[in-house]
Amino acid sequence: EVQLLESGGGLVQPGGSLRLSCAASGFTFSSYAMSWVRQAPGKGLEWVSAISGSGDFTYYADSVKGRFTFSRDNSKNTLYLQMNSLRAEDTARYYCATGDRTVGFDYWGQGTLVTVSS
Amino acid sequence: SYDLTQPPSVSVSAGQTARIPCSGDALPKQFAYWYQQKPGQAPVLVISRDSERPSGIPERFSGSSSGTTVTLTISGVQAEDEADYYCQSADSSGTLGVFGGGTKLTVL
Repeated sequence: EVQLLESGGGLVQPGGSLRLSCAASGFTFSSYAMSWVRQAPGKGLEWVSAISGSGDFTYYADSVKGRFTFSRDNSKNTLYLQMNSLRAEDTARYYCATGDRTVGFDYWGQGTLVTVSS
Repeated sequence: SYDLTQPPSVSVSAGQTARIPCSGDALPKQFAYWYQQKPGQAPVLVISRDSERPSGIPERFSGSSSGTTVTLTISGVQAEDEADYYCQSADSSGTLGVFGGGTKLTVL
């Protein structure tokens, strides 16, 4: 059974940093591209970033490019999203998901909530 | 930036057919995917690659594509189908991912 467990969310001040993690199990982790998708409170889904199975290639939405860094540790079956220079508009629940923007997102975690506020 | 356009809401009586369109200029070049999201839950993939139904998704869910529009069809809508539905695809280069704004399906 595929399981994705996000962690690391919380309250952070504007301009601050936060690192999200996503622990994966139940599939051959290194064989799959992975992604982050976020959802602001009461709003729709927004694709944030994707990473190849090897970790060699990353892709970012324009809204986070230059501020967020997506990485993975295939030895630990874990994803990381380093978020810097956070803004109020980054407030959202962040989901990790298997797949990427061209093949769809098959499995989703339950998400972790990030709140950017002073 | 690239956008996918969906109607904000669709209402249908139980047992009838619901159709949710999604339009985007790159849809003839990129597959579309559909997700169902119920309140307080993570999204669930219900249609893959325009028209493929993942394992475990009821047969009443189907997808189609014509030009710059893809459509999610739910035949014989049930009360449990009331949810938000999102289409998703990529831009023409395949670099950026995009979601439609979402459609709230109300079952009357």
